Amino acid sequence: NAGVTQTPKFQVLKTGQSMTLQCAQDMNHNSMYWYRQDPGMGLRLIYYSASEGTTDKGEVPNGYNVSRLNKREFSLRLESAAPSQTSVYFCASSGDRTDIGETQYFGPGTRLLVL
Amino acid sequence: AQSVTQPDIHITVSEGASLELRCNYSYGATPYLFWYVQSPGQGLQLLLKYFSGDTLVQGIKGFEAEFKRSQSSFNLRKPSVHWSDAAEYFCAVVLNTNAGKSTFGDGTTLTVKP
Repeated sequence: NAGVTQTPKFQVLKTGQSMTLQCAQDMNHNSMYWYRQDPGMGLRLIYYSASEGTTDKGEVPNGYNVSRLNKREFSLRLESAAPSQTSVYFCASSGDRTDIGETQYFGPGTRLLVL
Repeated sequence: AQSVTQPDIHITVSEGASLELRCNYSYGATPYLFWYVQSPGQGLQLLLKYFSGDTLVQGIKGFEAEFKRSQSSFNLRKPSVHWSDAAEYFCAVVLNTNAGKSTFGDGTTLTVKP
C-alpha cells in the first residue's frame, strides 16, 4: 500500500515548455486534488476531481489542465510553463466513505523550477 | 468568503516548553477542522481532526486541539515540545464534505530551541 505517489520528484523547465505531473493513489479514494505550495502562502487548490470522470477548478486554475484518467490517476498538465509556476506541487486524495470529514492524504510533492 | 487564518507565521519555543498554535475560521456553519504537519521536504501528514462531539480532540505525536465555536477557533496544543516537532503546521477546513475541498491556512513554522 503506497498511498499517494507522484512523479517526477524534481523538474526544471524552460519557459514555454510543457510537462505533465503524474499522481496515483491506491486507496480506492473517490476524490483527488492538485495543490501548489508557495513560500508563506500555504496550499492553494488548483483543480480537483470529486469522482472519476469529473474535474472542477479550484482557486488558481489558470495555466493548468487536468485529467482524471481513471479512479487511481489524476494528472496535471502545464501546456506552456511560466516562471510564475515555479512551485511545489502536491497531489492528494480523499473519500474513504468510512472516514467522516474527508481526510486528505498527500503525496511527497513535485518540485518544479521554470527558468 | 470563507477563510482560515493562522495569525502566527513563525513561533519559536524551547524544547520541553508548551506550545499553542492558533487557527481561526470564518464560515456560516461549523466546518470539519483539521491540523496537518509538514516536515521539511515532505508532504502533509494529518495530526488530528474534528467533526462533531467532544470539542477536545486528541491526535498523533501527543498533540491535541480544542474547538471553540464561540471564538471560531481550533487551536493546536502540545504540553511539552520535542526537537522533532520542528516543522510547518497547517490548519484546514472542509465545508462541503461531498467534494472534500479543503481550505488551508498559510501555515505556522515552528522552531524548537535546544
